[in-house]
Amino acid sequence: DQQVKQNSPSLSVQEGRISILNCDYTNSMFDYFLWYKKYPAEGPTFLISISSIKDKNEDGRFTVFLNKSAKHLSLHIVPSQPGDSAVYFCAASVGNAGNMLTFGGGTRLMVKP
Amino acid sequence: KAGVTQTPRYLIKTRGQQVTLSCSPISGHRSVSWYQQTPGQGLQFLFEYFSETQRNKGNFPGRFSGRQFSNSRSEMNVSTLELGDSALYLCASSLPPGWDAGELFFGEGSRLTVL
Repeated sequence: DQQVKQNSPSLSVQEGRISILNCDYTNSMFDYFLWYKKYPAEGPTFLISISSIKDKNEDGRFTVFLNKSAKHLSLHIVPSQPGDSAVYFCAASVGNAGNMLTFGGGTRLMVKP
Repeated sequence: KAGVTQTPRYLIKTRGQQVTLSCSPISGHRSVSWYQQTPGQGLQFLFEYFSETQRNKGNFPGRFSGRQFSNSRSEMNVSTLELGDSALYLCASSLPPGWDAGELFFGEGSRLTVL
């Protein structure tokens, strides 16, 4: 049973527009959420995170929203740039579980010039 | 500073063999985690080490094992390889658990092919 799901395997967006990547989770014990992006032939790179005590965290063009009641989080990228084209993974952890992350299956984002 | 280094980057083994993968974390990072990435299962947690002790273990059979040395370098071993073990094995390091928990720095991975 997948505890973290990214239901859209791919997303195509025009440069300059907003990209919205979605993630759902089922385990109510998760209290910390992260987004990673991955380019081909590279390891995942940390992008942004959010604690369950918040509902929004912003870092430059990237904003993560958390809706605990819906067990849903989303990553907004505004404006999208061609260099943002990558696979994006959401991940979740339980506070006392160290660095054991549960990852979603990933969404491939393509930003067209 | 240097990133996470994994060796070897690519390797091919046959069923029944065993393999050892190595990971050197970022200098100063004492926590090392291992993940398996496959097309069907995505990224799955294998185990985490801190101060030479295994802190957490994922849902993998006992054929998968690991260890951490006093210099924080880590190795993972897979014995009696099966075709399904073909995957990208990613190592990640971080500051001690609890410090920006979950913000992991990943290496480029070791791609294992089992024939």
